[in-house]
Amino acid sequence: AQTVTQSQPEMSVQEAETVTLSCTYDTSESDYYLFWYKQPPSRQMILVIRQEAYKQQNATENRFSVNFQKAAKSFSLKISDSQLGDAAMYFCAYRSPKVNDMRFGAGTRLTVKP
Amino acid sequence: NAGVTQTPKFRILKIGQSMTLQCTQDMNHNYMYWYRQDPGMGLKLIYYSVGAGITDKGEVPNGYNVSRSTTEDFPLRLELAAPSQTSVYFCASSLGGINTGELFFGEGSRLTVL
Repeated sequence: AQTVTQSQPEMSVQEAETVTLSCTYDTSESDYYLFWYKQPPSRQMILVIRQEAYKQQNATENRFSVNFQKAAKSFSLKISDSQLGDAAMYFCAYRSPKVNDMRFGAGTRLTVKP
Repeated sequence: NAGVTQTPKFRILKIGQSMTLQCTQDMNHNYMYWYRQDPGMGLKLIYYSVGAGITDKGEVPNGYNVSRSTTEDFPLRLELAAPSQTSVYFCASSLGGINTGELFFGEGSRLTVL
């Protein structure tokens, strides 16, 4: 079964600076999808960014970008120009096109310092 | 623009009681899911449904039941509540199970079993 590992339980960043959250995963599949979800104190899971494994180009969404290393099975999230509203739990997730499930890592709690 | 709606948001149960968590989505999504999130952990799949009348077990189905009589609704029933079922429960939906894979989440239901 696929597993997702987030090795950083907590991270902090100064407002306006850049932070990178790490994620690694284990799979034998060649086609899959990777996601970063944000969970603010309100609890609702919000999609931050998505990457299709067949795409070599790294996904970007405004201040959020990923570094997708397929061979290394690594999928890190970079947040540029960090804002106070970025403070939240961030979950990395893996989804196989063959299985109706999304595997989540344990999460990284991001604190943004003013 | 409701999306995925879960009720109740909070509930306290006594051991042995039963209850139903309600979930409704208005996006005409075929796929619906129930996840639980334990403290410091990622989400784990309890049950999912690929359409009305079709349900299947996820990773942690014991102690739960589901039904899917309509496209919109996917209630989760807890029978004989146990302290191990204390968790935050998330309902989610997606357009399909094998395409882009993005899940849309409700705001979660915090359940405490005493």
